[in-house]
Amino acid sequence: EVQLVESGGGLVKPGGSLRLPCSASGFTFSSYSMNWVRQAPGKGLEWVSSISGSGGYIQYADSVKGRFTISRDNAKNSLYLQMNSLRGEDTAVYYCARGQLSGDYFDYWGQGTLVTVSS
Amino acid sequence: SYELTQPPSVSVSPGQTARITCSGDALPKQYGYWYHQKPGQAPGLVIYKDSERPSGIPERFSGSSSGTTVTLTISGVQAEDEADYYCQSVDSNGTVVFGGGTKLTVL
Repeated sequence: EVQLVESGGGLVKPGGSLRLPCSASGFTFSSYSMNWVRQAPGKGLEWVSSISGSGGYIQYADSVKGRFTISRDNAKNSLYLQMNSLRGEDTAVYYCARGQLSGDYFDYWGQGTLVTVSS
Repeated sequence: SYELTQPPSVSVSPGQTARITCSGDALPKQYGYWYHQKPGQAPGLVIYKDSERPSGIPERFSGSSSGTTVTLTISGVQAEDEADYYCQSVDSNGTVVFGGGTKLTVL
């Protein structure tokens, strides 16, 4: 059974940093691209970042480029999102999602972790 | 930046057919995907590659594509189908884009 479990969320002050891990199980982690998608309270879904299975190809949304860094450790079946220079508009539930091999979509999602940026 | 446009809300009575549209200029060349999300839950895939249904998704869910619009159709809507529905595609650079979401209300 595919499982994705995010952690690391919490309350952080504007300008602060936070690192979100996502632990994966139930599939060959290194064979799949992985993604972060966020959802601000009461709002829609926003794609944040993607990383290929090898880690060699990375994309970011313009809203986080230069502040967030996605990475993965295939030996530990883990995905990470390092978030720096956090702003109020980064407040959201952050989901990790598996990218499907045959297309640009997400077939499994974690339950999400809430990040709140506030003084 | 590239946008996918969905109606904010759709309402139907139980047993009727719900149709949720998603419009985007790149959709003639890119696939559309659909997710549903109930309050407090993570999104889940309901349609991929315009019209394919993942295992476990009821047959009443179907998808179609015509020109710049993809459509999610739910036939014989049930109360349990009440949820937010999001379309998703990619732009010409391969960047993922979500529609704004449609709240489906079952009257």
